[in-house]
Amino acid sequence: AQRVTQPEKLLSVFKGAPVELKCNYSYSGSPELFWYVQYSRQRLQLLLRHISRESIKGFTADLNKGETSFHLKKPFAQEEDSAMYYCALTGPNNAGNMLTFGGGTRLMVKP
Amino acid sequence: NAGVMQNPRHLVRRRGQEARLRCSPMKGHSHVYWYRQLPEEGLKFMVYLQKENIIDESGMPKERFSAEFPKEGPSILRIQQVVRGDSAAYFCASSPLPPGAYNEQFFGPGTRLTVL
Repeated sequence: AQRVTQPEKLLSVFKGAPVELKCNYSYSGSPELFWYVQYSRQRLQLLLRHISRESIKGFTADLNKGETSFHLKKPFAQEEDSAMYYCALTGPNNAGNMLTFGGGTRLMVKP
Repeated sequence: NAGVMQNPRHLVRRRGQEARLRCSPMKGHSHVYWYRQLPEEGLKFMVYLQKENIIDESGMPKERFSAEFPKEGPSILRIQQVVRGDSAAYFCASSPLPPGAYNEQFFGPGTRLTVL
């Protein structure tokens, strides 16, 4: 069975501190991993995906197949980064590329 | 392009009533997904539809829930005889590409269903 685990429901850091939001997964085969973000009163939107190897808003995530992890990192947190973050996966086992989500982590960046 | 539209945004029903949730995908998108988010949990896949076809409904409860995506008009998620456990946020997402190619899913704002 496929599963995405985000062990922290809440992560609170001060502005300028490094941030790491953890994501572990289980999947038979080669998954595609994503991070989605939901800012207050806004809809869920794609932040980044591992196949793009891009950095969005200073965030990066590396897929570690050995540890089955896809942690989201940012060296210096900003107050506007405060939001709900969801790790998600899909892959060839998922008809229509439906997404399996983790439970989410609320990031609070304090001034 | 207005993005994925969902209505109503908030829906209150009494136990035993029916709930109808609507989703209009982005223009040009013919693939629609429904997800449910129970309180304090992540989003869980319910059903994947293309125009006039249910492709994967493996996440749908076997009873009382149904979904459609007609040739014309929005996709509808229908919940009959609602119970308190149906209270949740229901999200719709749409995508322009068929399975097999990487496709980003674009999410609507969600419908928050409250069952009294």
